[in-house]
Amino acid sequence: AQTVTQSQPEMSVQEAETVTLSCTYDTSESDYYLFWYKQPPSRQMILVIRQEAYKQQNATENRFSVNFQKAAKSFSLKISDSQLGDAAMYFCAYRSAQGSNYQLIWGAGTKLIIKP
Amino acid sequence: DSGVTQTPKHLITATGQRVTLRCSPRSGDLSVYWYQQSLDQGLQFLIQYYNGEERAKGNILERFSAQQFPDLHSELNLSSLELGDSALYFCASSPHVDGSSYNEQFFGPGTRLTVL
Repeated sequence: AQTVTQSQPEMSVQEAETVTLSCTYDTSESDYYLFWYKQPPSRQMILVIRQEAYKQQNATENRFSVNFQKAAKSFSLKISDSQLGDAAMYFCAYRSAQGSNYQLIWGAGTKLIIKP
Repeated sequence: DSGVTQTPKHLITATGQRVTLRCSPRSGDLSVYWYQQSLDQGLQFLIQYYNGEERAKGNILERFSAQQFPDLHSELNLSSLELGDSALYFCASSPHVDGSSYNEQFFGPGTRLTVL
């Protein structure tokens, strides 16, 4: 069974600085997707960025980028130029690309605090 | 706004009672997923439907059941409620079930269930 681990329950960063959130996962599959979701105080689950396992190039979305290390099964999220609106829970999630079960498997989350 | 709607937003009920949570997927999406977010167990996949048929089951209790109707909306029924069922219940939808494509899940705002 696949598992996702986020070892940082909480991180804090000064506004305008860069922060990296860690995620590791365990799987025996070769084809899968990885995601970072943001959950602000409103509780809405918002997709931040996604990575296809077959792509070697790291995904980037504006100030958000990932460091995907397939062999190490690591998928970290880098937030550059942190803004107050980035304060939220961040969840790493895994989804198989095989079979018919497309459930998201979630990490425990990291609470990101932005200091003004 | 993801285009996924969930009703009600909040639900307060007593132990032993039965409730129904409703989800309307985005227009055109055929797959519906239900997730439970609780303080002690984090985010867990409950069940997936595709075009009216059950496709995958996760950690769903026998007291819980779900269905997807011909108009593609879905309902999650929770019975014999216990204090531990208090959680945020998310519905997500995606266009199709083909695992070889990206197939992003779009999340509704959730239903907050409180069991007293």
